[in-house]
Amino acid sequence: EVQLVESGGGLVQPGGSLRLSCAASGFSFSDHYMDWVRQAPGKGLEWVGRIRNRANSHTTEYAASVKGRFTISRDDSKNSLYLQMNSLKTDDTAVYFCARVLGTTLSDHHFDYWGQGTLVTVSS
Amino acid sequence: IQLTQSPSSLSASVGDRVTITCRASQGISSYLAWYQQKPGKAPKLLIYAASTLQSGVPSRFSGSGFGTGTDFTLTISSLQPEDFATYYCQQLNSYPLTFGGGTKVEIK
Repeated sequence: EVQLVESGGGLVQPGGSLRLSCAASGFSFSDHYMDWVRQAPGKGLEWVGRIRNRANSHTTEYAASVKGRFTISRDDSKNSLYLQMNSLKTDDTAVYFCARVLGTTLSDHHFDYWGQGTLVTVSS
Repeated sequence: IQLTQSPSSLSASVGDRVTITCRASQGISSYLAWYQQKPGKAPKLLIYAASTLQSGVPSRFSGSGFGTGTDFTLTISSLQPEDFATYYCQQLNSYPLTFGGGTKVEIK
């Protein structure tokens, strides 16, 4: 059974940093692209970024709103995905979900599994 | 690429046919997915490639695309109590990936 479990959320002051983790199990983690998506309280979904698999050199893509502040990484040996968030702003307050990308071709770039999410609150 | 969903909310009864529209600001071929989200839960994939039903999703859900890859619909043929939720479209054609604003389906 595919499982994605996020952790690391919490309360942080503006300007601070936080690192989220996503523990994956039940599938060949190293083969899949992985994404982060966030949802501010009462709002819609916002894509945060992507990290490709090792075959695609673990390259990354980011939303403009987080580029230069957030970094996505992965440790395939630990079946884990990470989101390092720096220079946090109050607007970054959201539930952060990790999601598995089905495949590496464009027709398979949808998210077939999601974690339950972890809440990040940026407030003084 | 901007995705505009309409309506933003709707009220419907069990058994009703419901259609939600998603319009892309430029052509995205058929690289569109639909997700269902219930309060406090993660989104769930319903449809991908505009019209392909995800495994395990009831056949009352269907998706289609029209025109030059800019207009898409999600249809629920006979609304069931468990279908009351918020629905999002997502384009996968180019970065940054984007979601529509969501359509909340409420009980009439």
